[in-house]
Amino acid sequence: AQKITQTQPGMFVQEKEAVTLDCTYDTSDQSYGLFWYKQPSSGEMIFLIYQGSYDEQNATEGRYSLNFQKARKSANLVISASQLGDSAMYFCAMREGRGGSNYKLTFGKGTLLTVNP
Amino acid sequence: DAGITQSPRYKITETGRQVTLMCHQTWSHSYMFWYRQDLGHGLRLIYYSAAADITDKGEVPDGYVVSRSKTENFPLTLESATRSQTSVYFCASRDRGLFYEQYFGPGTRLTVT
Repeated sequence: AQKITQTQPGMFVQEKEAVTLDCTYDTSDQSYGLFWYKQPSSGEMIFLIYQGSYDEQNATEGRYSLNFQKARKSANLVISASQLGDSAMYFCAMREGRGGSNYKLTFGKGTLLTVNP
Repeated sequence: DAGITQSPRYKITETGRQVTLMCHQTWSHSYMFWYRQDLGHGLRLIYYSAAADITDKGEVPDGYVVSRSKTENFPLTLESATRSQTSVYFCASRDRGLFYEQYFGPGTRLTVT
């Protein structure tokens, strides 16, 4: 079974609108962390936002917010007021457990977001 | 330059040849990682290292060898390259602590002919 599932291979959004990118995860650990990375066409991986499993509030970073629903095991990325520069591949990733070898990440397959003018 | 660098950025090699991809970070991060990115698979972990002289296998380690004699360097060697190892390879590093993200290098595009 996949540990990170991103069900939307591609998404389209109009400039200035909000968009939600879906991510569901599978873990039996109580302590884990969820990350979102952006990969523009230039290829670099850019960290966007982090949510810890014990965090009671949803994480926010500027126009990015993470809609964390623990019972549903979902960690959706919300981008508000989309910009043309948001067009990129977006990856959800999970760190399971606490410390040591559990600092490694498991990535989903990604969602390609296209922002239309 | 500060940060994490990879070399070469592009490499074409022939089947059966040995090739080494270099990764260097200037932050003295304890942890370093190698991933490969293939269409339809996202990023998959090849090997990781918790400190100098401590390495462990990831999800797809077959055909790869790593070493870490110094904290700042984490080379990845393909001992006998195969066409299935054509991919984009990313190196990453992070510090200790649950909340820290991984910082990625710019990637190496490897083509095995």
